[in-house]
Amino acid sequence: DAGVIQSPRHEVTEMGQEVTLRCKPISGHDYLFWYRQTMMRGLELLIYFNNNVPIDDSGMPEDRFSAKMPNASFSTLKIQPSEPRDSAVYFCASSSGVGHAITYNEQFFGPGTRLTVL
Amino acid sequence: ELKVEQNPLFLSMQEGKNYTIYCNYSTTSDRLYWYRQDPGKSLESLFVLLSNGAVKQEGRLMASLDTKARLSTLHITAAVHDLSATYFCAVDKGGSEKLVFGKGTKLTVNP
Repeated sequence: DAGVIQSPRHEVTEMGQEVTLRCKPISGHDYLFWYRQTMMRGLELLIYFNNNVPIDDSGMPEDRFSAKMPNASFSTLKIQPSEPRDSAVYFCASSSGVGHAITYNEQFFGPGTRLTVL
Repeated sequence: ELKVEQNPLFLSMQEGKNYTIYCNYSTTSDRLYWYRQDPGKSLESLFVLLSNGAVKQEGRLMASLDTKARLSTLHITAAVHDLSATYFCAVDKGGSEKLVFGKGTKLTVNP
């Protein structure tokens, strides 16, 4: 398996522009998570999906952030309009969930997208 | 609210020495996860601990879980430079698939 795939790996944009981050989870995983990591705030969970349905978006900072999962193999995180304080590394992770007999709730992380908003 | 605390947050040690990283959490959970992150890289799963008394070992790293004390330890034996990284523990938030992560312990192993 190729693991969790994210694109782009790096994104530099100007304040006010729309940014779209993409994620392909591991095939067969039912859960998909979006995280943000910064030096100041550490690793924060933004939102997660179960079977393509958003379950908890309480970590989404504000209305400028939105996430979708149109099918089991694809998710997007969109920021519109972007601001300099959104600069961070955004990780996507997937898991089989707590019910899996072997991996339980172990989450597998993608390589991340490093976002810089100027 | 589930809280996960790691200590120390920064650890500088010499090659060949032993040390332990501690992970405390605030509410009952039977599952604990350890991850490693190299600078500029993603998080890599190290250990999954699923029950009280669970112990797992991989090379120079050994992780254990005491659910009654709400404590996990990551013990490093005879450290080598390649172990330099940030180590995170994470705990299931009961009733959901969310993981709550500690702030991480940045380990630097000096020659």
